[in-house]
Amino acid sequence: NAGVMQNPRHLVRRRGQEARLRCSPMKGHSHVYWYRQLPEEGLKFMVYLQKENIIDESGMPKERFSAEFPKEGPSILRIQQVVRGDSAAYFCASSPIGASHEQYFGPGTRLTVT
Amino acid sequence: GNSVTQMEGPVTLSEEAFLTINCTYTATGYPSLFWYVQYPGEGLQLLLKATKADDKGSNKGFEATYRKETTSFHLEKGSVQVSDSAVYFCALSDKIQGAQKLVFGQGTRLTINP
Repeated sequence: NAGVMQNPRHLVRRRGQEARLRCSPMKGHSHVYWYRQLPEEGLKFMVYLQKENIIDESGMPKERFSAEFPKEGPSILRIQQVVRGDSAAYFCASSPIGASHEQYFGPGTRLTVT
Repeated sequence: GNSVTQMEGPVTLSEEAFLTINCTYTATGYPSLFWYVQYPGEGLQLLLKATKADDKGSNKGFEATYRKETTSFHLEKGSVQVSDSAVYFCALSDKIQGAQKLVFGQGTRLTINP
């Protein structure tokens, strides 16, 4: 059973470009969570999604950031017009129905904005 | 809101030393508590968890006991190894619309010298 998969593992973008981060949850998992880790800090919750629904986006910046989890395909975290402060590691986690306290993390995408 | 405070690092020990990493939390209700470990360049792995007061989580020689009276969940290991070098995160679960988001401490970097 493959774990949570994220790609790309490393992403370099120039200021003003768009970044798209992908997350494929573990098989059978229908809940996806995105977290951001700034250098030397802990992870901060961004958004929680189920298939075709955003359940809680209280941790998402109000502008430039969006997330989706379509019926088919991976979850996408999209950052428009990136700025240097967006440089961070972005982690996706998934959990099964009924066991949402058990979150399994992917390896992360390290975004560098130059 | 709910929060987690960890002992500040970095922590450096010699092999076979006793390890304690302190973690205290502030929460309404009775969250589940977790320790995650992050090895260099990798995502987070669940190390152990406890879901109610006085529960003891244990794994790979690490232990932590859910202490409601002191709102603590300190991580301990009797004899550390070089391979335990990593960043350790304490976390609690915060319920959101039927699921749980994780609230993390800032992390403690542990280095074990041979």
